[in-house]
Amino acid sequence: QSVLTQPPSVSGAPGQRVTISCTGSSSNIGAGYDVHWYQQLPGTAPKLLIYGNSNRPSGVPDRFSGSKSGTSASLAITGLQAEDEADYYCQSYDSSSDVVFGGGTKLTVL
Amino acid sequence: EVQLVESGGGLVQPGGSLKLSCAASGFTFSGSAMHWVRQASGKGLEWVGRIRSKANSYATAYAASVKGRFTISRDDSKNTAYLQMNSLKTEDTAVYYCAADPGSGGNVYWGQGTLVTVSS
Repeated sequence: QSVLTQPPSVSGAPGQRVTISCTGSSSNIGAGYDVHWYQQLPGTAPKLLIYGNSNRPSGVPDRFSGSKSGTSASLAITGLQAEDEADYYCQSYDSSSDVVFGGGTKLTVL
Repeated sequence: EVQLVESGGGLVQPGGSLKLSCAASGFTFSGSAMHWVRQASGKGLEWVGRIRSKANSYATAYAASVKGRFTISRDDSKNTAYLQMNSLKTEDTAVYYCAADPGSGGNVYWGQGTLVTVSS
């Protein structure tokens, strides 16, 4: 049971927009701690996709965006492409557990 | 080019010990917090622990599942972080990644991972 809750899976057709939620509590996201998002392509190490709730590292397409409100955060992907098929994880800090990850969401491009 | 290269993984019996290394290059290692994250086969990411920089007193923190058994250390002169794992259990079997947080937010750099298998 992860401290941060993500849907196990989401899907969308090429060109569509999908969102992945990350729900926490008052001891992590709701306490004001930043949320980061990672993309993990099959068989590879995770890659930082969004940091500090809504910032994209250099090289990450602007099709990826992040937001945070209250005790939740979201990752949005617009103009879905086949290469976006991957696992996505949110990460934050929790006052009693230190660093915490969400359980991960598998994105399928139909 | 930024590189994080883990080594030291392998097969170990339950109750045994193993020490992983993470050699860094291409970024300011001494100013970065270093994390260890593991992933069991077919499962999600699990944070193992971290060590902060000298400026932050080399403070360490660990997940409850490994506290008291695992120890993270670093040698800034060698640009290397370590994960000493003792009293290993079968449930510690996973790919272990090291990751660096240079302070901009999030774990920016990741290694390729090293497999640790705990089995008799």
